[in-house]
Amino acid sequence: EVQLLESGGGLVQPGGSLRLSCSASRFTFSIYTMSWVRQAPGKGLEWVSRIRSDGRTDYANSVTGRFAISRDNSKNTLYLQMDNLRAEDTAVYYCAKGHIVGVTVPDSWGQGTRVTVSS
Amino acid sequence: DIVMTQTPLSLSVTPGQPASISCKSSQSLLYSDGKTYFYWYLQKSGQPPQLLIYEVSNRFSGVPDRFSGGGSGTDFTLRISRVEAEDVGVYYCAQSSQLPITFGQGTRLDIK
Repeated sequence: EVQLLESGGGLVQPGGSLRLSCSASRFTFSIYTMSWVRQAPGKGLEWVSRIRSDGRTDYANSVTGRFAISRDNSKNTLYLQMDNLRAEDTAVYYCAKGHIVGVTVPDSWGQGTRVTVSS
Repeated sequence: DIVMTQTPLSLSVTPGQPASISCKSSQSLLYSDGKTYFYWYLQKSGQPPQLLIYEVSNRFSGVPDRFSGGGSGTDFTLRISRVEAEDVGVYYCAQSSQLPITFGQGTRLDIK
């Protein structure tokens, strides 16, 4: 069974930075598109970013220029560098594995890590 | 961005009775490769979402056959033939035919 374990969340002031990590196991991490999806308190799901197996990246308009997704295939780890954080970035951030090779929509999700942006 | 609109936003169902959720997209989800990248998820309380249906009508591994999906173009439906207590939660539709990936606003299902 796929395992995804997020870490790095916490409380940060507006304008601050955080780096989220997602440790992946029990699948061939390097060949799958990986995404970050977030869920604000009491709200629905919002796709944030993806990184394909070849390293190409895409972002939601709401985070473009502030967030950066990356991966280290040697460590089976996905990252999300979040800079210039805003109150509206407050959410649970999920790491998610693409359904099949080349497809972004997730079939497996981690338990999430909570990010709170507040002064 | 493609807007996904679900109806109803909530429904209460007696165990053993059927249930149906609709999702309409603001643009056709038929991709140039002939596939339709439309999905259904269930998020149970305190848990991450779990994939139920992929590419409109295919059940994901381990999903009971009481769940079925259908539709095409811009109109899609999730059907539960006989609702069970474990089906409680929020159902989301999603599309990846065009970036950004977008989700419906969610439909909350509870048991009468």
